[in-house]
Formats: sequence, structure tokens, C-alpha cells
Amino acid sequence: AQSVTQLGSHVSVSEGALVLLRCNYSSSVPPYLFWYVQYPNQGLQLLLKYTSAATLVKGINGFEAEFKKSETSFHLTKPSAHMSDAAEYFCAVTEGRGTALIFGKGTTLSVSS
Amino acid sequence: DAGVTQSPTHLIKTRGQQVTLRCSPKSGHDTVSWYQQALGQGPQFIFQYYEEEERQRGNFPDRFSGHQFPNYSSELNVNALLLGDSALYLCASSLGRVNQPQHFGDGTRLSIL
Repeated sequence: AQSVTQLGSHVSVSEGALVLLRCNYSSSVPPYLFWYVQYPNQGLQLLLKYTSAATLVKGINGFEAEFKKSETSFHLTKPSAHMSDAAEYFCAVTEGRGTALIFGKGTTLSVSS
Repeated sequence: DAGVTQSPTHLIKTRGQQVTLRCSPKSGHDTVSWYQQALGQGPQFIFQYYEEEERQRGNFPDRFSGHQFPNYSSELNVNALLLGDSALYLCASSLGRVNQPQHFGDGTRLSIL
């Protein structure tokens, strides 16, 4: 079965600093990978998705992620953090030919001024 | 264009009771998925409905059942509620094709006393 591991349950950065949230996946077939963000008391919002068209994927709000097959990774980055980026971030993979999302446990991003 | 809407937003039940949660998908979407998100965890896939049939199911007991109506809206039913069923229940809609991004509602917070 496919799975997702998010390294670091909590990441703290200063405003303007680089954001790096880590995600590793296990999959026996080419995966489809997603990053979602969740603000308090809200559902999940899609940041970006990888569907094999390009290894560097650009998303909303200045975020991007790079698919590295050799490292089975799909880390999320943003060059300069903003206070509004503080939220919970989830990496997810689809399982096989289905469309069910398998989520990691999430990483809480805190941004300080 | 309305997104995914869920009702109710909050619900309190006692052990042994039954509950029904409702979801209206984003306009144009034909597939509805349900997820359970326990506090501090990533969402876990319950099941997915397409063309009024359960297309895929996660590792949840038969106490969890669902339905999809001709207008693509969906219900999640949980029988014989347990304390461990306390969670945020998220509905997501998408187009039926494989690996289309899922759009989430804000969820129903279910508390079991």
C-alpha cells in the first residue's frame, strides 16, 4: 500500500525566511502527489499537484514542489514566508488507479515576525 | 460558483446513537469522497461514491455507510457511535476521472459524549 511520511510535525520560521516542508512517499507505481493546506476550522485547500508533466510544480501563494523519483520525495518550498502562511500542511498521494487520497500526518507551520 | 458545502457544521451525539452527515459537491463534479480527520492527524479515507455507487472504500467498519443521490449530493451515515468516532468529517468532490484534484468542504465536527 502507498504511504506518505512528513518529516517534522512542526516547523517554525521567521517572516521572510525560506519555507521547506518535507514529504516522502512510498509507491510501487508512478504516483500522483498533492500538497494541501488547512487553516483553523476550515477544510483543505489544494496548493499544487504533481501528475508527471513536470518535476517542478508551481502552486498558489508562491509555493512550489519538486518531484525527485530517486529520493521518493516531494518537498514543498516557498522562498519567503509570510505571516498568512501559518497553517497545517498535508502531503498526499493517490492509491493505485483509484482516486482516494492517502495523507501524511501533517506539518504545522508557524511564522514569527 | 458554490464550492463543496457540508451540513451540519457541528454535531453532538452520545454513544450508541446514529448520525447522518450531508454533502453537496462543487458544481460540475460527479464524485464525492468522505474522510475522517481525528484531532492532530491527517484525513483518512472512508469511501468514495460515483454514479450513485460506492466505488472505493477505506479501512472502516460497516458501521460507516453512505449514499449518493442523482444530483450527486451524498450522505455519510454512522451507526452505533463510539467515543473514537469523534472527529472532523470532510467531504471532497471531484470529476470522476483518475487523479483529478479533490475540493474539500469545511467539514462537520462530530463530538461523541
